[in-house]
Parts: sequence; C-alpha cells; structure tokens
Amino acid sequence: AQKVTQAQTEISVVEKEDVTLDCVYETRDTTYYLFWYKQPPSGELVFLIRRNSFDEQNEISGRYSWNFQKSTSSFNFTITASQVVDSAVYFCALRGNTDKLIFGTGTRLQVFP
Amino acid sequence: DSGVTQTPKHLITATGQRVTLRCSPRSGDLSVYWYQQSLDQGLQFLIQYYNGEERAKGNILERFSAQQFPDLHSELNLSSLELGDSALYFCASSVDSGWGETQYFGPGTRLLVL
Repeated sequence: AQKVTQAQTEISVVEKEDVTLDCVYETRDTTYYLFWYKQPPSGELVFLIRRNSFDEQNEISGRYSWNFQKSTSSFNFTITASQVVDSAVYFCALRGNTDKLIFGTGTRLQVFP
Repeated sequence: DSGVTQTPKHLITATGQRVTLRCSPRSGDLSVYWYQQSLDQGLQFLIQYYNGEERAKGNILERFSAQQFPDLHSELNLSSLELGDSALYFCASSVDSGWGETQYFGPGTRLLVL
C-alpha cells in the first residue's frame, strides 16, 4: 500500500523563523515521484516541487529547500526566514506505479507578523 | 495561475439535485484529473482522462461520472446529491498520462449541498 504521513497538523511560527514540514512516505515501488503542493487561504493548489526516487539531491529554490532521504523515506520541506505570505496548508504527495496521486493530510502553517 | 480553469467557482444546490462542473486544462495538456477535497476524506483522486479516454478510476461514486471532450475540456457530473458530497472539487491537468507527470491544479469548485 502507498501512504503519505504528515504528522504535523498545524505549525505556528513568527515571521523570519525557519520552519520544517515533515513528510514520510510508504511505497514498495522502486520508482516513484514525490511532490509538494501549497494551498493558500484562497483555496487553489499550487505546485511547488517534483522529485523522482532516483534523485536524492537536495534542492533549494529561494527560501524553500527540500531534503529527500530514501533511507528514512522522508521528503521534508524547509522554509527559511518565513513570511506571512507563506501561511497556507502544505501537502506532500506520492505517485508510485499506480494510477493515483496519494496526498498526505496536510500541514497548516501559520506565520505571524 | 496554473492555466487550468474551472467553472463555476461556487455552487449551492439541494439534496437530490444534479450538477455539472467544468474544467479546461492547460494549453497542450492531454490528461485531466478530478479530485475531491473534504474535511473528513482529505484530497481524494476520483478519475483521470487522457485525450478523451478514461485512463484511471479512483474513489469515484457511481452517482458521479465524467467525460473529456474532443477539445480536451472535461466535465464532472454529480447526481442524486447528498449532504456529504459538499466539498471542494479540483481539476488538474498534465501534459501526458505518465505517472511521473506533474499535475497542475485549477482553482477548484466549491460545492455546497443543502
């Protein structure tokens, strides 16, 4: 079975703090893809990153960075120097060799000024 | 803006009714996916179409059906609506049907069944 666990239901930080959102996944597939999406209060789902299982290089995009570790089946997301505009629900998702994109339950991030 | 459009943005209807949600994929995308987001079920995959053909089915109820037209837009039909069908319905699209493809989501249609 495929599963994505986002154990942190809600995180609150003050602006400029760094914050890490955890994502742990389960799959028996050797080839799979992992994704992060952001859902701001307006409701749309915004694609942030895609990573395949053969590429364990960490990625940085501005204040965002992702740490993929196959050994622990984790694909964590860090926001550096958080801003109020980062307030959203963040979803981690997995697609293995199946028809479905499996989403975690999401982590609600609140950044206070 | 992902380039995926969905109409209407909001829909309020009564139990037992039927509604149609519409989705236009990004230009050039052949695959369309439908998802339901509710508080108790989270984000659930419903169905996928690729170039007019049904490609994959997820947790879609028999009361729900979808299709993709020759111009690649898609419609999700929900019938005999129940209170529990109240949810945010997303359409997503991708270039191809491969399972590694990035899916780009539309803004969603918020359905309220009273």
